[in-house]
Amino acid sequence: QVQLVQSGAEVKRPGASVKVSCKSSGYTFTRYYLHWVRQAPGQGLEWMGWIQSGSGASKSTEKFLGRVTMTRDTSITTAYLELSSLRTDDTAIYYCARSSGDQGFFDIWGQGTMVTVSS
Amino acid sequence: QLVVTQSPSASASLGASVRLTCTLSSGHTKYAIAWHQQQPQKGPRFLMNVDNDGRHRKGDGIPDRFSGSSSGAERYLTISSLQSDDEAVYYCQTWGPGIQVFGGGTTLTVL
Repeated sequence: QVQLVQSGAEVKRPGASVKVSCKSSGYTFTRYYLHWVRQAPGQGLEWMGWIQSGSGASKSTEKFLGRVTMTRDTSITTAYLELSSLRTDDTAIYYCARSSGDQGFFDIWGQGTMVTVSS
Repeated sequence: QLVVTQSPSASASLGASVRLTCTLSSGHTKYAIAWHQQQPQKGPRFLMNVDNDGRHRKGDGIPDRFSGSSSGAERYLTISSLQSDDEAVYYCQTWGPGIQVFGGGTTLTVL
């Protein structure tokens, strides 16, 4: 069945970096986009950007420019989100989600990865 | 600016029906949207996408109790025969060139 399985929870110090993975299965990985969305404790959903799983092209929102790197490894159908210069307000659950284009709805979600930034 | 607006909360009784609303911003009233459900302590789940003309396509395994419709700038999610596990936050999502936008979510309480 189609699913996205993410890596486990992380605890980081301010200023550090974190890399979250999103393993895809059950569909042709390279035909779809993967988006990254985060949710701070008790808050709503915030879109961070996308990666085209085939070409590797990516785009992040202005808010995260310079701090976010989105990559993928087609050999293991896995996408990655790396966030650097972590701050305490980056504490959130990070989700990957699939869509058929850079625009369009998200039809499959990962289970989420909790990232805690604390000194 | 592309924005979707949702009421923060809604409530309805067990077995009843409820209609949740997502309102598109001026100039974007023909956009499609998607509805996602987030149950307590869980990640979001795609329910359906809803077009400008009210056509909707549900995700795999979504019960017939869930349906979508449209009127003008409003997109609706109707849940009939409410069950206790329908208690969740429901998010509206829309998109445009270079942007994805979520509403603030509607917390549904099943009484």
